[in-house]
Amino acid sequence: AQSVTQPDIHITVSEGASLELRCNYSYGATPYLFWYVQSPGQGLQLLLKYFSGDTLVQGIKGFEAEFKRSQSSFNLRKPSVHWSDAAEYFCAVGPNSGGYQKVTFGTGTKLQVIP
Amino acid sequence: GAGVSQSPSNKVTEKGKDVELRCDPISGHTALYWYRQSLGQGLEFLIYFQGNSAPDKSGLPSDRFSAERTGGSVSTLTIQRTQQEDSAVYLCASSFLQEQFFGPGTRLTVL
Repeated sequence: AQSVTQPDIHITVSEGASLELRCNYSYGATPYLFWYVQSPGQGLQLLLKYFSGDTLVQGIKGFEAEFKRSQSSFNLRKPSVHWSDAAEYFCAVGPNSGGYQKVTFGTGTKLQVIP
Repeated sequence: GAGVSQSPSNKVTEKGKDVELRCDPISGHTALYWYRQSLGQGLEFLIYFQGNSAPDKSGLPSDRFSAERTGGSVSTLTIQRTQQEDSAVYLCASSFLQEQFFGPGTRLTVL
């Protein structure tokens, strides 16, 4: 069965610093990969997704993520964090074929941004 | 509508009462998920519907929880004999090509 691991429960970064949130997955083939963000009191919003092709994907709000097959990872990055990026971030993996298997979410990483 | 809608947005109930939470997915989305998010916690998967297949109920925490999806569209999550530990935000998401579109959630408070 597929699974997702977000090893960092909580991360604190200074405003303007770079950010990398880790995501590792377990899946038998190349999966579909997603990052979602949940800002305080807000709903879940898709940041970016990887289906195929270029392994570096760009998303909204200046975020990017890189699919590394050899490391089974899909880490989220941002070169310069803004205070408004404080939120909880969820990585998710889904099958890249049709059929019944559902998408699986990681446990989330809470990002705190300090001045 | 343009997105996933859920009703009610807030529900306060007494312990032992039954509640029904409704989700209206995006038209044409064949997959639908229910999640629970307790205060300060991540997403807890509850149930997954995909087309006409039997739902994946593996996340339902007890037999007090059930869900149905009528006509491949609207879904209802029912919690019977509510307990205080059921208090949480219940999120619905409809899905297309594995991408999930989340509703705003129903905040359930069990007194």
